[in-house]
Amino acid sequence: NAGVTQTPKFRILKIGQSMTLQCAQDMNHNYMYWYRQDPGMGLKLIYYSVGAGITDKGEVPNGYNVSRSTTEDFPLRLELAAPSQTSVYFCASSTTGQGADTQYFGPGTRLTVL
Amino acid sequence: AQSVTQLGSHVSVSEGALVLLRCNYSSSVPPYLFWYVQYPNQGLQLLLKYTTGATLVKGINGFEAEFKKSETSFHLTKPSAHMSDAAEYFCAVSINTDKLIFGTGTRLQVFP
Repeated sequence: NAGVTQTPKFRILKIGQSMTLQCAQDMNHNYMYWYRQDPGMGLKLIYYSVGAGITDKGEVPNGYNVSRSTTEDFPLRLELAAPSQTSVYFCASSTTGQGADTQYFGPGTRLTVL
Repeated sequence: AQSVTQLGSHVSVSEGALVLLRCNYSSSVPPYLFWYVQYPNQGLQLLLKYTTGATLVKGINGFEAEFKKSETSFHLTKPSAHMSDAAEYFCAVSINTDKLIFGTGTRLQVFP
């Protein structure tokens, strides 16, 4: 199993550009998550999904969109990139989404907006 | 609402010394508690977690943590630090939900 994969690893965007961060998992997990990690701030939840076709906002959803057309894939879209979106983005997945469940993380995408 | 506080954004120890990373949580109901480790330029990896039962939890790479309800703490320890333990460590809490609340992280440096 590859686990959780993310592409690209790095990206530099200009202000106003758009891009999609890709995330895929091969563990047949129902729950998937997008986090952003900023220095000294820990991880903040952007969006999550409890299954194909179902998504919901997390703590910091503004400026982002998601979709979940399959169990495996959970792309994150930035429509109009802003410097405040410079961050490291992590995708994660879990089996049941219950409180005791372990989340499995991808390697991250480092995004810089200039 | 739940929250997590990690005391000390940076901790430095010598190789072979005790590692102690502190985590306190706030929760109105019994929590589930996690420690994740992030090695440079990598994603987060589960070290250990407390769900129910034994309050002393053993994880990978010789780490362990003890859930102390009276102190609302879940501190992470390792008797003898190794150079390969240098990483960032995150404490996280959840209840009966699908969301993890993370602390701000503690960067561990290990000196030879």
